[in-house]
Amino acid sequence: GQSLEQPSEVTAVEGAIVQINCTYQTSGFYGLSWYQQHDGGAPTFLSYNALDGLEETGRFSSFLSRSDSYGYLLLQELQMKDSASYFCAVSNQAGTALIFGKGTTLSVSS
Amino acid sequence: EAQVTQNPRYLITVTGKKLTVTCSQNMNHEYMSWYRQDPGLGLRQIYYSMNVEVTDKGDVPEGYKVSRKEKRNFPLILESPSPNQTSLYFCASSLGARGGEETQYFGPGTRLLVL
Repeated sequence: GQSLEQPSEVTAVEGAIVQINCTYQTSGFYGLSWYQQHDGGAPTFLSYNALDGLEETGRFSSFLSRSDSYGYLLLQELQMKDSASYFCAVSNQAGTALIFGKGTTLSVSS
Repeated sequence: EAQVTQNPRYLITVTGKKLTVTCSQNMNHEYMSWYRQDPGLGLRQIYYSMNVEVTDKGDVPEGYKVSRKEKRNFPLILESPSPNQTSLYFCASSLGARGGEETQYFGPGTRLLVL
């Protein structure tokens, strides 16, 4: 089977840095994706890792360690608009499914 | 504009009354998928389709049907809705399901309430 673990809630203040961790168990792993979802909206793609290491996209970075079955999303210079839910998702080797974690709600305060 | 559309966006129905939620994409994607989202449970895959006439069950397929007669359309059918199918439903499409260049594009969602 496949399972993903991520914290349910994280709080931070504007301008801070926050890290959202994701550990996974999967039979056949291809890559780890991150999606953002604002309240009531559709999930949108943020970042993707297939190889070990850090991927940087503006204020957002994502890291993957395949040997540890672990990844994280790093959000820098937090803004109020970053308040949202963040989901990690693993794709299997067969390319048939993207399995999502339960999501982390990030609340950014001033 | 590249997009995934779903209709209806909101639906209130009664137990047992068959309904269909339509999903259409204009990006020529081969892979399409349906998810339901419930509080505290994240996004759970209902069915997916790798291409026309190829569909398969996801994690929570019970009570749902799908069809893929055309590449752009992937309707979700509830033959006999029950209250436990009250949820927020998302359709998504992509080139594939491996992530990265095969990133999934989500529709705006359909809020379904079954009384």
